Amino acid sequence: AQKVTQAQTEISVVEKEDVTLDCVYETRDTTYYLFWYKQPPSGELVFLIRRNSFDEQNEISGRYSWNFQKSTSSFNFTITASQVVDSAVYFCALSTRGGGGNKLTFGTGTQLKVEL
Amino acid sequence: GAGVSQTPSNKVTEKGKYVELRCDPISGHTALYWYRQSLGQGPEFLIYFQGTGAADDSGLPNDRFFAVRPEGSVSTLKIQRTERGDSAVYLCASSQTGTPGEKLFFGSGTQLSVL
Repeated sequence: AQKVTQAQTEISVVEKEDVTLDCVYETRDTTYYLFWYKQPPSGELVFLIRRNSFDEQNEISGRYSWNFQKSTSSFNFTITASQVVDSAVYFCALSTRGGGGNKLTFGTGTQLKVEL
Repeated sequence: GAGVSQTPSNKVTEKGKYVELRCDPISGHTALYWYRQSLGQGPEFLIYFQGTGAADDSGLPNDRFFAVRPEGSVSTLKIQRTERGDSAVYLCASSQTGTPGEKLFFGSGTQLSVL
């Protein structure tokens, strides 16, 4: 069975601070995919990034960066110089080749509040 | 349309009633998924369609829940004899082929409230 743990329920930061959202996953599959989605108040889940289990390169996209470490089963997400528009719930998710289609297992999410 | 469309955005019903929730996926996407999100939780998988057929319905909680996708495009999630515990946001997503690792595109969801 797959499991995703996001231990941080809520994080509050002041604008321009850096913030890291933690994600720890569990799976017995050797081939798997990790995702981050953003859910603003409108409710629609917005795709941010996908990583497969064979690619441990970290990635940077503008103010966003992701640190994938198989040794610790973690896929953490860092926002540099946070902005008020970053306020949302962020979900980490996992899928495996053994599942049907691209069935995602989500964590419980981290509510990020960025204040002025 | 450009994205995944779900209607209605809100549905209030009484315990015991029947409801239908509609999902219109991105044109050309063969894979369609339904998820349920309770307050403060992550989305939980309900069912996955590949074309017209339900390829995986392992997440449906019981036989009161049923979903169809008769023409391989629009899908309807049907809930019979609704219970208060069914109250949640029902999210629909689609992806191009259903290949593992593919990006899912989500709709804004239907907020279902069972009184």
